[in-house]
Amino acid sequence: TQLLEQSPQFLSIQEGENLTVYCNSSSVFSSLQWYRQEPGEGPVLLVTVVTGGEVKKLKRLTFQFGDARKDSSLHITAAQPGDTGLYLCAGAWRSSASKIIFGSGTRLSIRP
Amino acid sequence: GAVVSQHPSWVICKSGTSVKIECRSLDFQATTMFWYRQFPKQSLMLMATSNEGSKATYEQGVEKDKFLINHASLTLSTLTVTSAHPEDSSFYICSARGTGDSWPQHFGDGTRLSIL
Repeated sequence: TQLLEQSPQFLSIQEGENLTVYCNSSSVFSSLQWYRQEPGEGPVLLVTVVTGGEVKKLKRLTFQFGDARKDSSLHITAAQPGDTGLYLCAGAWRSSASKIIFGSGTRLSIRP
Repeated sequence: GAVVSQHPSWVICKSGTSVKIECRSLDFQATTMFWYRQFPKQSLMLMATSNEGSKATYEQGVEKDKFLINHASLTLSTLTVTSAHPEDSSFYICSARGTGDSWPQHFGDGTRLSIL
């Protein structure tokens, strides 16, 4: 079983539409990260959220950490074909020697 | 920015052979390195945490005798897949964390292992 569940697993939308990806857990995290991964490459860090309720923006991407630090969301505005990829959330616990656990992943496809 | 290099990026070998994958931190000292495994269309699964100069800590279900990890220096960790079989075929990714850093981990570009 996955500690971090992401939804949806797959999403295919038209260019210009908005979308939200969710990352949920029953565990409380000291911090949570979002990554994007292209085929055949390692994941690339997009953002780290640490404080419950925190919101961070990265151009058209908005990241939110839940108040209880158990969940997070990634919202993309006006999606573009270049946003296509595998989006992964990853959580960490302060007591776990800095290891992070990845979510189940959301595969996003943006059609031109 | 910090760079982590993995070598080789792609390897094909016969069933029964052992394969070594290297993970190097190029411009920082990595006290801790992590090894992940990723099957097609799936997420990354943590296999083990390796600390420089000590034994690796393996996640539940990962065979330590099958996946040998050595972290002999602050810039190099190796993963050896011993007596590899087709079911070991996967994408193996390492990450490294610098001294004193809580965040972030820096990821390598992965090694695609195919066992025939």
